[in-house]
Parts: sequence; structure tokens; C-alpha cells
Amino acid sequence: GENVEQHPSTLSVQEGDSAVIKCTYSDSASNYFPWYKQELGKGPQLIIDIRSNVGEKKDQRIAVTLNKTAKHFSLHITETQPEDSAVYFCAASKGNMLTFGGGTRLMVKP
Amino acid sequence: DTAVSQTPKYLVTQMGNDKSIKCEQNLGHDTMYWYKQDSKKFLKIMFSYNNKELIINETVPNRFSPKSPDKAHLNLHINSLELGDSAVYFCASSQGRAGGPNEQFFGPGTRLTVL
Repeated sequence: GENVEQHPSTLSVQEGDSAVIKCTYSDSASNYFPWYKQELGKGPQLIIDIRSNVGEKKDQRIAVTLNKTAKHFSLHITETQPEDSAVYFCAASKGNMLTFGGGTRLMVKP
Repeated sequence: DTAVSQTPKYLVTQMGNDKSIKCEQNLGHDTMYWYKQDSKKFLKIMFSYNNKELIINETVPNRFSPKSPDKAHLNLHINSLELGDSAVYFCASSQGRAGGPNEQFFGPGTRLTVL
């Protein structure tokens, strides 16, 4: 089955700096890669996703890149703000089955 | 309006008891899921139902039995609760898409504590 590794497990940045979270996946048939943000006491919420026919996608301060050959994808957050502090999960999917990475706790210090 | 709702939000019970968690989505989606998030925040799929039919069952003990009375509801019944069942359980839903998987919308979670 699919295996998704996510790094780092914790990330602390100063407000205004950039944050990068990286994931690798094992199943080359996976074709959908969402990123979720989970705030304390809440369910995960999709912030951006990318499909295997695209190499990069951007939405305001958030961007995701995908390297299918190397089987890795990354989340980039620019100009971080304190409200970006949360746990971020990457996931990989073929069909409806999402396999999640272990999560990254991002702390943005004001 | 809440898209995916779960009840209860908190559930504290004794070992050996039977309990249920309810989930409803008002998004008109055809696929619903149950996930378990352990104390280390690891999220793992348990079940998936498409139009009331089970399509994913990920090596979950048969003490866990999902029930889908209609495509807007997916309830989770747990028999003979064990300490290791303590976790946060998330319901999610998505709409089928010809080109492949689609965004899954998650509920707020149910924190189950087994004493």
C-alpha cells in the first residue's frame, strides 16, 4: 500500500519568514496530493491540492510543487502569519483512499 | 451551515461498553469516510462508503461496524470498547469525480475516551 513520509515534524519560524514542508510517497500510481491544515480542536481543512498532471500550483501565500519522478511534493508558505500556526498534513491518493503523512506542527512566532 | 457534522463531540465511557458516533453531511456528496486520529496526531482511514455501499475497510477490528442508512449519513458503532480505542474520530465526505479523487471535507471530530 501507499506510504507517505512528512518532514519536519515540527517547524518554528519568525513571522514574515517562509515555511517549507516536504513529503515523499511510495506508490507511483498516486495521482492526487492534498494538503490539510488542522487547528486545535478542529477537523482538517483543505488548503491546497495538486494533481499528478501539474508540477506546481499557487494560491496567494501558499504554493505546492510536485516531482513525480522523485515521488515527492512540498508545501511552501510565504510571509507567514501567527494565524498560520497549526498542524499541516500532506496526503497522497489514488481513488478515494487518502494516505496521510505524520503531520508538521508549524509555529509562527510574532 | 455545517457541511459535515458529528455527534457527540466528546464521549467518555467505560471499557466494555458499546457506543455510537453519528455523522451527517449536507453537501450532497456520494462518498463518506471514517478516520481515526491517535494521540500522536496520526490520521488513518478506517472505512469508506459510496452510495451506502462499503468500498474501503482498512483492517479495522470487527468490533467497529459502520452503518449508512442513506448517502447523507454514516454512523460508527463500536462494541466492547477497549482502552486503545481512545482517539479522535473524524467523519469526512467527498463527491465522486470522473477524473480522479476529489477534496474530502472533514467534520469537527469526536473525542472518545475509554476509561
